[in-house]
Amino acid sequence: EAQVTQNPRYLITVTGKKLTVTCSQNMNHEYMSWYRQDPGLGLRQIYYSMNVEVTDKGDVPEGYKVSRKEKRNFPLILESPSPNQTSLYFCASSFQGPNSNQPQHFGDGTRLSIL
Amino acid sequence: AQSVTQPDIHITVSEGASLELRCNYSYGATPYLFWYVQSPGQGLQLLLKYFSGDTLVQGIKGFEAEFKRSQSSFNLRKPSVHWSDAAEYFCAVGARQGGKLIFGQGTELSVKP
Repeated sequence: EAQVTQNPRYLITVTGKKLTVTCSQNMNHEYMSWYRQDPGLGLRQIYYSMNVEVTDKGDVPEGYKVSRKEKRNFPLILESPSPNQTSLYFCASSFQGPNSNQPQHFGDGTRLSIL
Repeated sequence: AQSVTQPDIHITVSEGASLELRCNYSYGATPYLFWYVQSPGQGLQLLLKYFSGDTLVQGIKGFEAEFKRSQSSFNLRKPSVHWSDAAEYFCAVGARQGGKLIFGQGTELSVKP
């Protein structure tokens, strides 16, 4: 089954404790992206990757890191999480970016709470 | 600055009634335009997109949207709403090249029986 898998789905942690949210897709997609969703703000793009070893900042990259060492995986790293990063996070992938004829596939989301 | 505005935070319609969700954008060039739907506890699903050509685009689940360049709008419509359409709807714009995508704040749709 074609899917984007995020782990963990839920996480409660404390300020400053490094964490990684993994994202994996099994569709051989070149493009992957991370978003955060906050009430009243919609989704905001954090980082995206057009292909392996190519990553670019979205609108809200501060406090986040990503890497794209292989096509299927695109982990989101919070080196020193802070309470303002408490949010619902979505990973997405598609063949050639959001502006191609193929739709983005979204994961089920990861709810992070940082105390 | 590039932005997307969905003026209505929450809309309630009766089942069977027509629906229109508004979306306005600010962009330097003609962007690609999208509508996504998010059911409770779910990820996002693409309803429809506009790239070029006919300004009235058809999507899944009976939705359509009309691109109006002069008004910088891309409103979503459905002639008869079903209870299962209750969800949050997001308008988004993207550049014709590259990977950036900008979402609106979302409109939550409730459907009365």
